[in-house]
Amino acid sequence: QSALTQPASVSGSPGQSITISCTGTSSDVGSYNLVSWYQQHPGKAPKLMISEVGKRPSGVSNRFSGSKSGNTASLTISGLQAEDEADYYCCSYAGSSTYLVFGGGTKLTVL
Amino acid sequence: QVQLQESGPGLVKPSETLSLTCAVSGYSISSGYYWGWIRQPPGKGLEWIGTIYHSGNTYYNPSLKSRVTISVDTSKNQFSLRLSSVTAADTAVYYCARQPGVAAPVGFDSWGQGTLVTVSS
Repeated sequence: QSALTQPASVSGSPGQSITISCTGTSSDVGSYNLVSWYQQHPGKAPKLMISEVGKRPSGVSNRFSGSKSGNTASLTISGLQAEDEADYYCCSYAGSSTYLVFGGGTKLTVL
Repeated sequence: QVQLQESGPGLVKPSETLSLTCAVSGYSISSGYYWGWIRQPPGKGLEWIGTIYHSGNTYYNPSLKSRVTISVDTSKNQFSLRLSSVTAADTAVYYCARQPGVAAPVGFDSWGQGTLVTVSS
């Protein structure tokens, strides 16, 4: 069982927007603005899409955005494209003892 | 542009020790940042194994802490993972990655391609 809870799957049609949630606790997501999101295509290494809740690394499309409210972080993808179909993982800093925790992953299907 | 490359045996026997090395190019580990290991069992999600700061401070997943050792060799610009007493449950693709940050890691911004390690007799 993963420390952070994500929906197993989400889907959307091209052009639509979807949001993936990542629910933690007051010991991780709720306490630190250090949530990151990763995109992983089959057989490939994960790619950083969002860091520090809402910061987009250079080269990442502005269709990807991140936010946080309380113990839940969210990744929103607008203007869905076929290439966005992938697995998405959230990750949060959880303090000096537990340190880092991942979500179980969400499979995004573009219909 | 930083690049990371994992290397090590692809097959390890049960009860033995898994050893992997991550060679870093395009960035000097001694310059800073955190350096981590993550694994992914076949068909499953990502699991953080541990992280080492460039100074040598280490942080481990509590569920693996008793079996994990991560070390850094700044002279070779590489860091390493040792996981002892492996079982079939440790079969996974193992990734190394860079974590920028000073006071705390802010995300894994560069990843190796991953290496599959199978635990089997």
